[in-house]
Order: sequence, then C-alpha cells, then structure tokens
Amino acid sequence: DIVMTQSPDSLAVSLGERATINCQSSQSLLYSSNNKNYLSWYQHKPGQPPKLLIYWASTRASGVPDRFSGSGSGTDFTLTISSLQAEDVAVYYCQQYYSTLPLTFGGGTKVEIK
Amino acid sequence: EVQLVESGGNLVQPGGSLRLSCAASGFTFSNYWMNWVRQAPGKGLEWVATIKSDGGEKYDVASVRGRFTISRDNAKNTLYLQMNSLRAEDTAVYYCARGSLTVAGIFEYWGQGTPVTVSS
Repeated sequence: DIVMTQSPDSLAVSLGERATINCQSSQSLLYSSNNKNYLSWYQHKPGQPPKLLIYWASTRASGVPDRFSGSGSGTDFTLTISSLQAEDVAVYYCQQYYSTLPLTFGGGTKVEIK
Repeated sequence: EVQLVESGGNLVQPGGSLRLSCAASGFTFSNYWMNWVRQAPGKGLEWVATIKSDGGEKYDVASVRGRFTISRDNAKNTLYLQMNSLRAEDTAVYYCARGSLTVAGIFEYWGQGTPVTVSS
C-alpha cells in the first residue's frame, strides 16, 4: 500500500497569512509515461461533504479560489493557502490515485484561525 | 448541476446487512467511474470501493473484501454498496463520490453522505 503522511496534524494561522500543508508518499506518485503526479487535495468542513481542491498535484478544480495552490513532485507535495480566509477553516486531506489497490488518504491537517 | 444523493444508512446489528444507494443526476452517469468513501467517527477519510463506468472493473479496500460489493445500474443512474457481515468498525458516514471520465481515483463530486451504525 502507498502510505500518505501529512504534516502538521494541525495549524493555526492568522487571517490573511499563509498556510502550508505537507504531504509525503511512501513511493513516487509520478507516472513516467505522462509525467503526471497522481495526487489530489480535498477540503472537508464540518457538516459538509469533502470538496476536491487540487488534482494532478497542481491543477485547481473548477471554482476553487486561486489562493489555493498545489506543488511538488515524486514523493513530496505541498498545499498552500496564500492568504487564509475565515471560510478556509477545515480539515485538508491529500490522496494518491497512482495505485487503485488501495486508494489512500493522508491523515488530515486541521486548519484553524489564530 | 451534479447531484449525488445517498440513502440506506441505518442502525444495524453486528453481522447484519445493509444496501446503500446513491442516486445521481446532472451528468451522464454511465460515462464516469464511481466510488464509495467513508469516515468513521473522529477519524479521517477512507476509500472503500470503486467501479468503472461500465461496471467492468471493481476495486475495494482489503478490510471490506468479501463482505461489501459495489455495483451500479446505469439505466437507473444509481450506484450501490451491498454491505454484509457488518462489524462495529464499519460504523461511519458513507459518501458516494463521482470519479473522473478517465481516472479511477479522483473524487470530483461528493454526496452529503449517509450514516451507518453497527451496534447491538
């Protein structure tokens, strides 16, 4: 199984400041034939379903504000919220789809307002 | 507008069975991979099962293999999860999630979820 490890478990950031979440995979998610990283990021707010933010490691999903960005390649990835807004309070998950057996999520990072 | 509406969640005794349904609308259901993802109380997200657009490929997590079966009816735009031999550790909110056209594991849209509680 590909193990996804997120850090930190939680972080508190002031409004308007940058939030950075890290995700490391136990094996490379870069598929050599198409040069794509099989990694996505999701936002999960209490009482709501999760929402896709980023796929292919750095492609924003439709309607996602541009303050959200994804970067990284191979085994190390980052989700950055450039200017934290109150509505960004949530748990964020990375997820690999390089291997479908099984598809795996990171443990989640809780983002709060300082 | 893409809509996914799950139903069928309930309180069930250990060893019992449930069938979850997910009614899809707002897109051509038969073109997309579909998935079930769950979240146990106080825990993170866990992928459960995935099925290809035509039902020809299925994948599931080891902890449910042989007990859960994912299926779909493209004529009814509905995804199913048949859950047998339920255990306490299957207690979770179960989400239906639409995949992409070409890739099995991107969860583009999610339903609101249906709760399953396994307890005596």
